[in-house]
Amino acid sequence: TQLLEQSPQFLSIQEGENLTVYCNSSSVFSSLQWYRQEPGEGPVLLVTVVTGGEVKKLKRLTFQFGDARKDSSLHITAAQPGDTGLYLCAGALSSGSARQLTFGSGTQLTVLP
Amino acid sequence: NAGVTQTPKFQVLKTGQSMTLQCAQDMNHEYMSWYRQDPGMGLRLIHYSVGAGITDQGEVPNGYNVSRSTTEDFPLRLLSAAPSQTSVYFCASSRTGTGNTGELFFGEGSRLTVL
Repeated sequence: TQLLEQSPQFLSIQEGENLTVYCNSSSVFSSLQWYRQEPGEGPVLLVTVVTGGEVKKLKRLTFQFGDARKDSSLHITAAQPGDTGLYLCAGALSSGSARQLTFGSGTQLTVLP
Repeated sequence: NAGVTQTPKFQVLKTGQSMTLQCAQDMNHEYMSWYRQDPGMGLRLIHYSVGAGITDQGEVPNGYNVSRSTTEDFPLRLLSAAPSQTSVYFCASSRTGTGNTGELFFGEGSRLTVL
């Protein structure tokens, strides 16, 4: 059983559409991170959220941390083919500790031109 | 600007063979780790190290050994490869310390096939 459940597992959309990816858990996290991974490469950090209810924006990407710090969402506005990739959420069970980072199974996003 | 370097990128082994995946980082990070990535499973932690001379087991350590003789290097050893170890392996490093939210810097991965 995954500690962090991501949904959907796969998502294929047309360029210009909006989408939301979810990351849910029954555990409380001190912080939550979102990574993006492109084929043949390692994941790259997009954002870290640390406060319940926090919202962070990165250009067309909006990240939200749930009030109870058990869930998070990633919303992409007007998706572009360059957004294609595997999106991974990762929760830290203790403050500042990479050793306690748990990854979700990922959402494979394909944006068609 | 090397970051985390993994070698080899691809490897094919026969069951029972041994090999070492190399990992080096040039960011003076204290924390280093090895993950394996399998379809639908996300990234699972194999072993990690919080500094030279210190290693510990992660979620899936069986069949793997590690050592940390220097801050820069963290090799992963497979003593007797099994088909279940076919996977993509990622080395990652991070700063440690109070207030650090544990951002991981990943290598490009090593794709291992065990026949």
